[in-house]
Amino acid sequence: GDSVTQMEGPVTLSEEAFLTINCTYTATGYPSLFWYVQYPGEGLQLLLKATKADDKGSNKGFEATYRKETTSFHLEKGSVQVSDSAVYFCALNTNAGKSTFGDGTTLTVKP
Amino acid sequence: DTGVSQNPRHKITKRGQNVTFRCDPISEHNRLYWYRQTLGQGPEFLTYFQNEAQLEKSRLLSDRFSAERPKGSFSTLEIQRTEQGDSAMYLCASSFGRAGADNEQFFGPGTRLTVL
Repeated sequence: GDSVTQMEGPVTLSEEAFLTINCTYTATGYPSLFWYVQYPGEGLQLLLKATKADDKGSNKGFEATYRKETTSFHLEKGSVQVSDSAVYFCALNTNAGKSTFGDGTTLTVKP
Repeated sequence: DTGVSQNPRHKITKRGQNVTFRCDPISEHNRLYWYRQTLGQGPEFLTYFQNEAQLEKSRLLSDRFSAERPKGSFSTLEIQRTEQGDSAMYLCASSFGRAGADNEQFFGPGTRLTVL
């Protein structure tokens, strides 16, 4: 079946540090890939997505590239801020439209 | 607010009681999903509807769980004879369009269930 594996957290960084959160997936067919963010006390929000191989999704300074050859969709940001502290979930959608999520990575950014 | 809404936001119940949650999707969205999220885990798919038809149910959805979406609008998720293992956050999401991998889902704030 479909699965998503995220790097285990928690991740603690200083402000302005570089962020990478690894995500790899297993899926049949050609899934779309997503990163969601969940801020404390809030619901899941879509951060970015990519729908085919080599696509790059980007939003709010975050980027991720759909790598079919390595079945990966790593999340990166060049300079994190305290306000980026949240839980980040990698997910994939199959043609049925339902999502399969990773277990989430908690990011804490310290001033 | 035109986002996905869920009620109640919190529910505390005793083991063995029945509970029902409601989800109101974004008005023009024809697809509606239910997920369950336990602490430290990502959301797990439970079931989804296209309009009023329930198209898929996860093996996680035991016989004690039932979901409906009358008239293809709001949806309810009922859990009968609750067990402590049912304690979780129940998330609803909606999307628009035909089935497809790039179908973006919009999530509600969730209903947190605690079974004592």
